[in-house]
Amino acid sequence: DADVTQTPRNRITKTGKRIMLECSQTKGHDRMYWYRQDPGLGLRLIYYSFDVKDINKGEISDGYSVSRQAQAKFSLSLESAIPNQTALYFCATSDNRGSGETQYFGPGTRLLVL
Amino acid sequence: GDSVTQMEGPVTLSEEAFLTINCTYTATGYPSLFWYVQYPGEGLQLLLKATKADDKGSNKGFEATYRKETTSFHLEKGSVQVSDSAVYFCLSGGYQKVTFGIGTKLQVIP
Repeated sequence: DADVTQTPRNRITKTGKRIMLECSQTKGHDRMYWYRQDPGLGLRLIYYSFDVKDINKGEISDGYSVSRQAQAKFSLSLESAIPNQTALYFCATSDNRGSGETQYFGPGTRLLVL
Repeated sequence: GDSVTQMEGPVTLSEEAFLTINCTYTATGYPSLFWYVQYPGEGLQLLLKATKADDKGSNKGFEATYRKETTSFHLEKGSVQVSDSAVYFCLSGGYQKVTFGIGTKLQVIP
């Protein structure tokens, strides 16, 4: 079984709709991240959480919100989706060893906003 | 701020050719450096890493050496295969911060 799972894997929605992307992990890591990937831009950090009570904005948090329901679960919400949020979204985890920690990625969610 | 620079590609090579994908970084302090690979339709997988200067990471025939003097972590493979076709990302990981390169697409043709 995969250590980091994401649901759904693909989603089509309309402008203005609220949607939630979910991430679960069985690695026992405290740290979780949400990224989006766009062609030519690499991966950009949306939000991250270092433990259940900790939520931090990344470089592109506008239009997104997150919820850390448990150590193993980290959800990303688009309150009112817009077309330029069409992208590939990745969840990742890492342990809390500080500098140089390896990140482990989920398979991604491909989102299309019409 | 921190940054990672790598060529976007695509890089097209014939099977068994030598591969180099350049990566340079700027960072505060001494980050760990990583190469990740993304196969079509999949997430990113760790390929190799190095945590301090002069360390060499290696995996599946790929190698990269942490060069502090040139702030580089170039990825190399002596003989690529069609199955190596993927997007390769260079990452710099410092304390509580990870910086991604834009990814380099590699196409290996038979």
